[in-house]
Amino acid sequence: QQQVKQSPQSLIVQKGGISIINCAYENTAFDYFPWYQQFPGKGPALLIAIRPDVSEKKEGRFTISFNKSAKQFSLHIMDSQPGDSATYFCAASTSGTYKYIFGTGTRLKVLA
Amino acid sequence: NAGVTQTPKFQVLKTGQSMTLQCAQDMNHEYMSWYRQDPGMGLRLIHYSVGAGITDQGEVPNGYNVSRSTTEDFPLRLLSAAPSQTSVYFCASSYWGGESEKLFFGSGTQLSVL
Repeated sequence: QQQVKQSPQSLIVQKGGISIINCAYENTAFDYFPWYQQFPGKGPALLIAIRPDVSEKKEGRFTISFNKSAKQFSLHIMDSQPGDSATYFCAASTSGTYKYIFGTGTRLKVLA
Repeated sequence: NAGVTQTPKFQVLKTGQSMTLQCAQDMNHEYMSWYRQDPGMGLRLIHYSVGAGITDQGEVPNGYNVSRSTTEDFPLRLLSAAPSQTSVYFCASSYWGGESEKLFFGSGTQLSVL
């Protein structure tokens, strides 16, 4: 059972544009929502994360928007650059369970 | 600082063979885990450990075995390899909890079972 649904599967954006990736979850016990970035041949690396007590978190060009009532959260990449081309995974976890549930991933390509 | 080290990077097995994927971390993390990554499936948790001597199952534990005798090492054993276990395997470690919660991933092991 897929508890975190991620879309789109792939995304092509022009340099300087905004990339938006969406995730929806079902389990209301989730209380931590990270985004991971993965380059080919590498392991994923934490990009940015949010807890449900805030609706938005920004770090540089990367922003997470969180809608608790809709059980959705999204990653926005402003001024997208070719170096942002990677696969992005959303995830969710519940404190004390020691388990992350990952989305299926979005392959982003930023055209120069 | 090596972080999380996985060996081997590539492995080809025949159906029925057994093998151990190695994972070591030098960050003194209590939490370690194994994930498999398959196209269109994302990352799925196989097993995890919250300290030496403590392990538990994740989403897809069947066909895999783990043990944790030290804080540093968390090997994953394939008991009798099957083609369905063809995948990329990632080991990850973390301090668990708090604002700084973050999984540190190794660079992966690409496994093919023929």
